[in-house]
Amino acid sequence: KQEVTQIPAALSVPEGENLVLNCSFTDSAIYNLQWFRQDPGKGLTSLLLIQSSQREQTSGRLNASLDKSSGRSTLYIAASQPGDSATYLCAVRKAAGNKLTFGGGTRVLVKP
Amino acid sequence: DTAVSQTPKYLVTQMGNDKSIKCEQNLGHDTMYWYKQDSKKFLKIMFSYNNKELIINETVPNRFSPKSPDKAHLNLHINSLELGDSAVYFCASSLYGTDNSPLHFGNGTRLTVT
Repeated sequence: KQEVTQIPAALSVPEGENLVLNCSFTDSAIYNLQWFRQDPGKGLTSLLLIQSSQREQTSGRLNASLDKSSGRSTLYIAASQPGDSATYLCAVRKAAGNKLTFGGGTRVLVKP
Repeated sequence: DTAVSQTPKYLVTQMGNDKSIKCEQNLGHDTMYWYKQDSKKFLKIMFSYNNKELIINETVPNRFSPKSPDKAHLNLHINSLELGDSAVYFCASSLYGTDNSPLHFGNGTRLTVT
């Protein structure tokens, strides 16, 4: 059974610092891994999707890496801004079927 | 022009009642999902439908019955509501069999059972 863990559960940084968010999963047989952002009272917004054959994906200030063999993914957010404050969730898709298994999320606060 | 929309946004009801949550997507996706987010913020899949057919049912009580009249709609009906059903329910959609198709989520329905 796939388990996804995100540590730390919460993170607070001053504006301008780089953010590093960790995600680990127990079963390396994945199709892809997706990072989401969730704002309070809102749904999830997809940030980046990394295929199992890829090592990283980049979008603007966001960069996500994937190391399938060690069961890890890292989301980097460069030069953080107060608007980056949200909960960030990672989710992995199984090799068979379309089920996504989510981590518990990391709640990020960027202080001005 | 909302991509995935679900109604209502908030639902407060008493134990034992029956309620429904509706979901519609205008993305042309053929797969829709219901996820439940509990008080600890863990998101767990409940159901997945592809072209109106059930493909995932994650050991959800029979009191929960999804209905997909067409591939753009997936409604969730809950019978005999219990206190433990209180949570935020998210609808999502994607393209089936397309591994690089990200999931798109609605804004959630916060259900409170008293």
